[in-house]
Amino acid sequence: AQSVTQPDIHITVSEGASLELRCNYSYGATPYLFWYVQSPGQGLQLLLKYFSGDTLVQGIKGFEAEFKRSQSSFNLRKPSVHWSDAAEYFCAVGAADSWGKLQFGAGTQVVVTP
Amino acid sequence: SAVISQKPSRDICQRGTSLTIQCQVDSQVTMMFWYRQQPGQSLTLIATANQGSEATYESGFVIDKFPISRPNLTFSTLTVSNMSPEDSSIYLCSVARGAGDGYTFGSGTRLTVV
Repeated sequence: AQSVTQPDIHITVSEGASLELRCNYSYGATPYLFWYVQSPGQGLQLLLKYFSGDTLVQGIKGFEAEFKRSQSSFNLRKPSVHWSDAAEYFCAVGAADSWGKLQFGAGTQVVVTP
Repeated sequence: SAVISQKPSRDICQRGTSLTIQCQVDSQVTMMFWYRQQPGQSLTLIATANQGSEATYESGFVIDKFPISRPNLTFSTLTVSNMSPEDSSIYLCSVARGAGDGYTFGSGTRLTVV
């Protein structure tokens, strides 16, 4: 069965600084990988997804993520954070053979300081 | 991506009662899902809503407690039955058109049971 680990429960970053959120997955074959963001009181918004091909994926709001099969990782990055990036970020994995089901990580809460 | 209208956005209900949540999509989608997000937690898949047949429930979730309907390719309902305070959560509808599509989430229904 697939699983997702987000090692960092909480990250504080200064506005303008770079941000990297870690995500490790466990799955026997190539997974489908996603990053979602949830602002307070809001639903989930898809930032980016990886299905196949280029391992560096560009998303919305200036985010990117890199799929590293050897490390079973799909880390999310942003070069310069804005105060509006303060939110909860979820990594999720889906299986190609039962792609309807997403397994979510526990989430990482990002706080942006002035 | 698909646009989802989820209703109600929030509700406060008495224990022992039931609440039906609606999920309307602006276009036909292959897959529809219902997730639960308990306070401060990540998302857990409740079930896959299948058009014209019974929903497929995940471990720990049963039809008597969470009956689901999906009469067509654009609409689904989730009922939370005989509610208790432990059912206080955000319930989210999610859809995907097909393989290669991202998963779009509704804005969620914030349920409080008193």
